[in-house]
Amino acid sequence: GAGVSQTPSNKVTEKGKYVELRCDPISGHTALYWYRQSLGQGPEFLIYFQGTGAADDSGLPNDRFFAVRPEGSVSTLKIQRTERGDSAVYLCASSQFGGPETQYFGPGTRLLVL
Amino acid sequence: GENVEQHPSTLSVQEGDSAVIKCTYSDSASNYFPWYKQELGKGPQLIIDIRSNVGEKKDQRIAVTLNKTAKHFSLHITETQPEDSAVYFCAAPPGEGTSYGKLTFGQGTILTVHP
Repeated sequence: GAGVSQTPSNKVTEKGKYVELRCDPISGHTALYWYRQSLGQGPEFLIYFQGTGAADDSGLPNDRFFAVRPEGSVSTLKIQRTERGDSAVYLCASSQFGGPETQYFGPGTRLLVL
Repeated sequence: GENVEQHPSTLSVQEGDSAVIKCTYSDSASNYFPWYKQELGKGPQLIIDIRSNVGEKKDQRIAVTLNKTAKHFSLHITETQPEDSAVYFCAAPPGEGTSYGKLTFGQGTILTVHP
């Protein structure tokens, strides 16, 4: 079946602009995760959804970052007033139940803030 | 929170040799330890995982061992092939609380297999 998809694959924006990154999880997966990966580093946890609700948003760096999953499927990560330090690959993953189990990652969105 | 350390950061081997990557974790209650492979321009892909109730798991040329007392787990790749060249990440979730799926990743190991 289809895996996790993310759009856009690449996004270039200017400092101060607003961006939205979209994630389509595997159908039927109740848990959805956002991670951020800087060059040469491992993914860093941002936020985790169980269904429509954010079960843990402790990884969001500040209030410029926000994510939603209104129908328990597609999720959007929103970044306001982007800064050059926000440049990274934003990865989305989904899993069936949300416990300690396989997380299936999408290809990521490469965000570059000029 | 969980802290995961991974070594080495780079590993270069000849085709056919074995490769071993080691990770240590801090949360003694962690009970699930996945290994991911990431190729250039792609997202991480699970290659093997182990739960805390077993000490070793093997899948063809790949194996993972877990030492809960010492809080470390290792990835073993035997008979390496050039297509094994990639970045490998270990990860661990917190042992308690509601975010069992929240993974903390190691820093990654760049594995290069020379033909």
